[in-house]
Amino acid sequence: GAVVSQHPSWVICKSGTSVKIECRSLDFQATTMFWYRQFPKQSLMLMATSNEGSKATYEQGVEKDKFLINHASLTLSTLTVTSAHPEDSSFYICSARAFGGLDTQYFGPGTRLTVL
Amino acid sequence: GDSVTQMEGPVTLSEEAFLTINCTYTATGYPSLFWYVQYPGEGLQLLLKATKADDKGSNKGFEATYRKETTSFHLEKGSVQVSDSAVYFCALISGGSNYKLTFGKGTLLTVNP
Repeated sequence: GAVVSQHPSWVICKSGTSVKIECRSLDFQATTMFWYRQFPKQSLMLMATSNEGSKATYEQGVEKDKFLINHASLTLSTLTVTSAHPEDSSFYICSARAFGGLDTQYFGPGTRLTVL
Repeated sequence: GDSVTQMEGPVTLSEEAFLTINCTYTATGYPSLFWYVQYPGEGLQLLLKATKADDKGSNKGFEATYRKETTSFHLEKGSVQVSDSAVYFCALISGGSNYKLTFGKGTLLTVNP
């Protein structure tokens, strides 16, 4: 089956630093990738949708300058949390969708970000 | 807009008990319906899906039937195991949501030996 990886699986950083999270589709080409944020004991909140080679589309209320998304290739998307603060601490999950598979998303294992 | 409502937990069962987690939805058009499972500290795994009315999705002993007349997709398992302890999310995709997943709030299931 389709596999999506995320790196790192967890990261601890100091307030004010930037953190980059990678999302890779390992055995298929992902024309679209999605980034979600999950707070403890809550559902997933879609942050943005990224299509390969174009700018990401952010959901309402998500700061595009704070959460930079790049989808430079068909197998890699990155989320950079810029100038992170403790309130950015969360579980970030990506998913990937192959061309033509409109109803199928494959999820990564998630990245736990803790900002001190 | 699209929405998914699922029973709020937590749900605590004994091993071999029968499980039902209710899920109802509102959507434009004809959505595809999903159940995802999230084990502690992990991402989401697709458990099962159904793409049209009366379809039954099944996997690992879990089943859910796409009921258009009641706009429901209830998850059932006849005999749960300790290893089924996880959070279960009902979700849908429709053209009305531009093919983005709409999730329910999740139901925490704990199965005790």
